[in-house]
Amino acid sequence: NAGVTQTPKFQVLKTGQSMTLQCAQDMNHNSMYWYRQDPGMGLRLIYYSASEGTTDKGEVPNGYNVSRLNKREFSLRLESAAPSQTSVYFCASSESGVEAGNTIYFGEGSWLTVV
Amino acid sequence: GEDVEQSLFLSVREGDSSVINCTYTDSSSTYLYWYKQEPGAGLQLLTYIFSNMDMKQDQRLTVLLNKKDKHLSLRIADTQTGDSAIYFCAETGGGNKLTFGTGTQLKVEL
Repeated sequence: NAGVTQTPKFQVLKTGQSMTLQCAQDMNHNSMYWYRQDPGMGLRLIYYSASEGTTDKGEVPNGYNVSRLNKREFSLRLESAAPSQTSVYFCASSESGVEAGNTIYFGEGSWLTVV
Repeated sequence: GEDVEQSLFLSVREGDSSVINCTYTDSSSTYLYWYKQEPGAGLQLLTYIFSNMDMKQDQRLTVLLNKKDKHLSLRIADTQTGDSAIYFCAETGGGNKLTFGTGTQLKVEL
């Protein structure tokens, strides 16, 4: 079972370049999320999509855009990368809202370095 | 606002018990979670507790919740080297999303 798959796993960008992180889940989940992980700061939510066709800002949305392409796919775009966006990015999904106790399943992470 | 805090490091000897602590601020949290992250990998759900429970036990794992003090702990009995990882607590207080703590790096020494 693939679960949550995100690509690329590693990427180096120059400041000002753009790129898109791709994420797909095969569990027929309604909700999808993008988090970033930085040392000593845990995971912070960038954007989430409660269901197909909707997206909402999380804690740290500045500098990012997202697209919920269909139920399976949720992409994260950096339009003009900055060194402060060097981080590990995690895509995740859940059957529906976490208030109901639904488990969030994580991808394996994408290591992004902006130089 | 939501704020979830954990100590950054914990070191224990193999065979001892580990206790990882977490404090949170949002009293409306319905579920509280513990996730484990091994090096170079994503997060895996270890266990969770509903906010109307005080304790949950699952094999070597015991979760204690003190809702009055907004304190959550994870006890790992008979800690093994394979338990070395980063442990995150998380709460559901902020709507349709999880708020994670900073993570506690557990190091198990022989």
